[in-house]
Amino acid sequence: GDSVTQTEGPVTVSESESLIINCTYSATSIAYPNLFWYVRYPGEGLQLLLKVITAGQKGSSRGFEATYNKETTSFHLQKASVQESDSAVYYCALGEPQGTGSKLSFGKGAKLTVSP
Amino acid sequence: EAAVTQSPRSKVAVTGGKVTLSCHQTNNHDYMYWYRQDTGHGLRLIHYSYVADSTEKGDIPDGYKASRPSQENFSLILELASLSQTAVYFCASSDRPVSNERLFFGHGTKLSVL
Repeated sequence: GDSVTQTEGPVTVSESESLIINCTYSATSIAYPNLFWYVRYPGEGLQLLLKVITAGQKGSSRGFEATYNKETTSFHLQKASVQESDSAVYYCALGEPQGTGSKLSFGKGAKLTVSP
Repeated sequence: EAAVTQSPRSKVAVTGGKVTLSCHQTNNHDYMYWYRQDTGHGLRLIHYSYVADSTEKGDIPDGYKASRPSQENFSLILELASLSQTAVYFCASSDRPVSNERLFFGHGTKLSVL
């Protein structure tokens, strides 16, 4: 079946340092699934951080970037300089059609702690 | 901003008891979903619905029922709660099929079955 494998937490980074959270995917029903990063801040529900639906394209939001690489089937999340407010759990997800609806497959999540 | 509200925010239940988790959305979305998250797992889809009065099984439906009495409301029912159902449950909605569209999540319900 479909799967998403990502860096699992905890990930601890000092403020102003760079960050990379790895994500690789495997899709069965279509060649180029849609790819997402969701984030869950403490006490909140998950929210969309960024999405990319075209292979080769890059998505960006709040200083984070992720590039859809179909050759390596990867969608790594990067940020050049993290802030304390980036402390959260980050989920990579893959979306593809399924029957009458569609499906999002999530990775296990990576808990990021940014220390001052 | 779209809103999805879950209740309760946390619950302690006894093994064998009945548990109902409720979800209400004000987004006017057709699609609604129930996910669970356990330590060491990503979010896993339990049930979903794309229209009122109809529900569909997700990846892990065993032990759960769902009800969609209206476009706004989607409930998850555990008829006989078990220890293995201790988890955090998330409700979500989307305007179109979720593979193409962003999901709007509730804050989650932490369920502990003792």
